[in-house]
Amino acid sequence: DGGITQSPKYLFRKEGQNVTLSCEQNLNHDAMYWYRQDPGQGLRLIYYSQIVNDFQKGDIAEGYSVSREKKESFPLTVTSAQKNPTAFYLCASSIDLSSRGTQYFGPGTRLLVL
Amino acid sequence: AQSVAQPEDQVNVAEGNPLTVKCTYSVSGNPYLFWYVQYPNRGLQFLLKYITGDNLVKGSYGFEAEFNKSQTSFHLKKPSALVSDSALYFCAVGGVGGGNKLTFGTGTQLKVEL
Repeated sequence: DGGITQSPKYLFRKEGQNVTLSCEQNLNHDAMYWYRQDPGQGLRLIYYSQIVNDFQKGDIAEGYSVSREKKESFPLTVTSAQKNPTAFYLCASSIDLSSRGTQYFGPGTRLLVL
Repeated sequence: AQSVAQPEDQVNVAEGNPLTVKCTYSVSGNPYLFWYVQYPNRGLQFLLKYITGDNLVKGSYGFEAEFNKSQTSFHLKKPSALVSDSALYFCAVGGVGGGNKLTFGTGTQLKVEL
């Protein structure tokens, strides 16, 4: 988990509410990623970013949004359009976008719906 | 499209015995293969990877994995299991054919008993 921080550890969302998950890295990595983890389904890619002010949709981007205004920060917003947001969210970073590069993960944020 | 299969949801091993966690993959072109470990409510920790070269890859905590191109497999092994190895293990594959993204398996729960 070293080098990547995520906050909060637990987050509760009310119906119709947007919530933002924080991800910060001090590894000087260019690429950053957001994954969603559900039991028995492994990790699914939500969004990824290769460079500041640029990001791409992953496999399950609907109901989510991101920004990349600084190299070290890649916040994820779970919008009210995401109807099943309860999951464990993981942020990762790598030196660059090549799949040869190792991705390093943060400790995760667990999102629960009230 | 690229994919990963971890055929066993759970593997049980006695402490001191060798362990194997299985992974098979499908990808266009040369594969980049990774193993990660996850402890409860934590992020993923990198164990080892295969990019090119020697088919036997050694990683953290005494783990190793063997790349077998003909069987499209990348099984994780350890000669002598410890109770502290009990965790969720993920195999992942990447490659140019997969758009430089990683695809993760669904995970294998390893339980090491005294």
